[in-house]
Amino acid sequence: QQPVQSPQAVILREGEDAVINCSSSKALYSVHWYRQKHGEAPVFLMILLKGGEQKGHEKISASFNEKKQQSSLYLTASQLSYSGTYFCGTEHTDYKLSFGAGTTVTVRA
Amino acid sequence: EAGVVQSPRYKIIEKKQPVAFWCNPISGHNTLYWYRQNLGQGPELLIRYENEEAVDDSQLPKDRFSAERLKGVDSTLKIQPAELGDSAVYLCASSLRTDTQYFGPGTRLTVL
Repeated sequence: QQPVQSPQAVILREGEDAVINCSSSKALYSVHWYRQKHGEAPVFLMILLKGGEQKGHEKISASFNEKKQQSSLYLTASQLSYSGTYFCGTEHTDYKLSFGAGTTVTVRA
Repeated sequence: EAGVVQSPRYKIIEKKQPVAFWCNPISGHNTLYWYRQNLGQGPELLIRYENEEAVDDSQLPKDRFSAERLKGVDSTLKIQPAELGDSAVYLCASSLRTDTQYFGPGTRLTVL
């Protein structure tokens, strides 16, 4: 089942912070975050695993609340390059990722 | 390391015509995925392969869509015949087993 993302869109000025939320109605095994720029492939940002392990490679942080079946992505001190659409992909126990509808982030100078 | 390669990048066809998309995954990745992404939506899984075996094709509209992954490397996704509602971006992704998925640039299909 598709996770629910909020907000749908957010506009920031450089240096501002934002939080993107991802909620599932089913128990989660992991949450994957991707960013997609217009006309390009989704780019992997981070994976959060059940049990608390977090793997990623960018200066963007995230949290995973197993009890609430939610994940949040934190954009801190945003840069122009953070603009794009952020998708969360939720994985349950069947190795299948279900993606949310996305959150469009626009960072302005 | 080369990423996931897809071709063509764009395709415009008339409805009822056939169309095929090709994907070459990252070297060594045994799991391959085909997704469809409609405008303003997240990717939706069509089919997942582990090596040559299609382990999840529950979302593939089998009346008009088919896929194959010969020799467990490259894969082809075919639509025959195409309908107006098939217009979308078709994304291929690959992973090592069930680890992080890496996406290709996609094929943007327009059905007229």
